[in-house]
Amino acid sequence: KAGVTQTPRYLIKTRGQQVTLSCSPISGHRSVSWYQQTPGQGLQFLFEYFSETQRNKGNFPGRFSGRQFSNSRSEMNVSTLELGDSALYLCASSLKQGPYGYTFGSGTRLTVV
Amino acid sequence: AQSVTQLGSHVSVSEGALVLLRCNYSSSVPPYLFWYVQYPNQGLQLLLKYTSAATLVKGINGFEAEFKKSETSFHLTKPSAHMSDAAEYFCAVRGTGTASKLTFGTGTRLQVTL
Repeated sequence: KAGVTQTPRYLIKTRGQQVTLSCSPISGHRSVSWYQQTPGQGLQFLFEYFSETQRNKGNFPGRFSGRQFSNSRSEMNVSTLELGDSALYLCASSLKQGPYGYTFGSGTRLTVV
Repeated sequence: AQSVTQLGSHVSVSEGALVLLRCNYSSSVPPYLFWYVQYPNQGLQLLLKYTSAATLVKGINGFEAEFKKSETSFHLTKPSAHMSDAAEYFCAVRGTGTASKLTFGTGTRLQVTL
């Protein structure tokens, strides 16, 4: 079956702009999480959605937001981009909350110039 | 709060040698523990997971990990390293219920030499 699909794979934006990243989970998976990966901070949790509701949120400013649709697809948005937002953004899906491993997508590489 | 600590940011082994990547966890309740691997320019791939069913967990690509509660450890091993094992490895812990996010360690980059 198809894996987790993230679009686009690469993105270059200018400081001050906003960006929307998309994630399509594995069919049947209802939990979607987002992570930011940078060389300095490693993998940091952004937020988790389950059945269209945000269940958990990491320590990121309000410029970072997300949502989940009824078909479990998710988007995350970053407004007023800063240079420090340059990172690999990873989406992961899981069957449901609990002792299940997440399946990750290949990520979106965002570069802010 | 749950956390994991990976000892050694870089590990180098010869092809055919034992691979040992260390992970210690901190959790007030029985944790769910995971090992993921990341190849360059790719996402994370699940190697194996511990969910309290058995203390010795076998994963893909010949990797296994043993959950030791007395040592709060979940080290990853592979008897014989292959060049294709060169990658970055992450240990992660996941809580239950509303604390179900994955918390990752800082990663260990494995280098395999001839």
